[in-house]
Amino acid sequence: DSGVTQTPKHLITATGQRVTLRCSPRSGDLSVYWYQQSLDQGLQFLIQYYNGEERAKGNILERFSAQQFPDLHSELNLSSLELGDSALYFCASSSGQGLYEQYFGPGTRLTVT
Amino acid sequence: AQKITQTQPGMFVQEKEAVTLDCTYDTSDPSYGLFWYKQPSSGEMIFLIYQGSYDQQNATEGRYSLNFQKARKSANLVISASQLGDSAMYFCAMREGLQGAQKLVFGQGTRLTINP
Repeated sequence: DSGVTQTPKHLITATGQRVTLRCSPRSGDLSVYWYQQSLDQGLQFLIQYYNGEERAKGNILERFSAQQFPDLHSELNLSSLELGDSALYFCASSSGQGLYEQYFGPGTRLTVT
Repeated sequence: AQKITQTQPGMFVQEKEAVTLDCTYDTSDPSYGLFWYKQPSSGEMIFLIYQGSYDQQNATEGRYSLNFQKARKSANLVISASQLGDSAMYFCAMREGLQGAQKLVFGQGTRLTINP
């Protein structure tokens, strides 16, 4: 158990809908990262937050947004969902901004039908 | 340009044998970190081992060791005395720089199958 929690574990929804994925980092970790894992794109970085502030953006679509709250949990919002958004979404956390290990949550498997 | 290359899509190894999973990387930043993760069929990403670019010695964690050859830009994972439970996807990843984005860039992975 990495100490990072993600809910829900599975999510099935229809095209055009909006969903929210939730992540709680390990106790004491200030950085939260979101990654998407799909068969065709592999594991891709989406966005990073550090202590409530956005620090880096990767290949994140405009239909996607995220935030980190004062209690350090984070939410990833996916809207106007398309079939191609079906993937495993991971949240990871680390203790700082340096070259620290990132610990991953169990992931949320999103299926868009 | 591909930053992390894992050239072995799949590997088959007999139980109790040692196995080496290849990883080469590309960066011009002198400060970087290299990571290996294991993803079993259940889907979670399990952190295995970390090597910093300034580390003088190769990293080791139990049965895992990292064969770090900086000049060749390779960071191969060695698993000693393989077990059936080692069957999984293995990803090599890199993080560049001490400041700025701390994202991990992943390779395409190697699927390791341990045969009894």
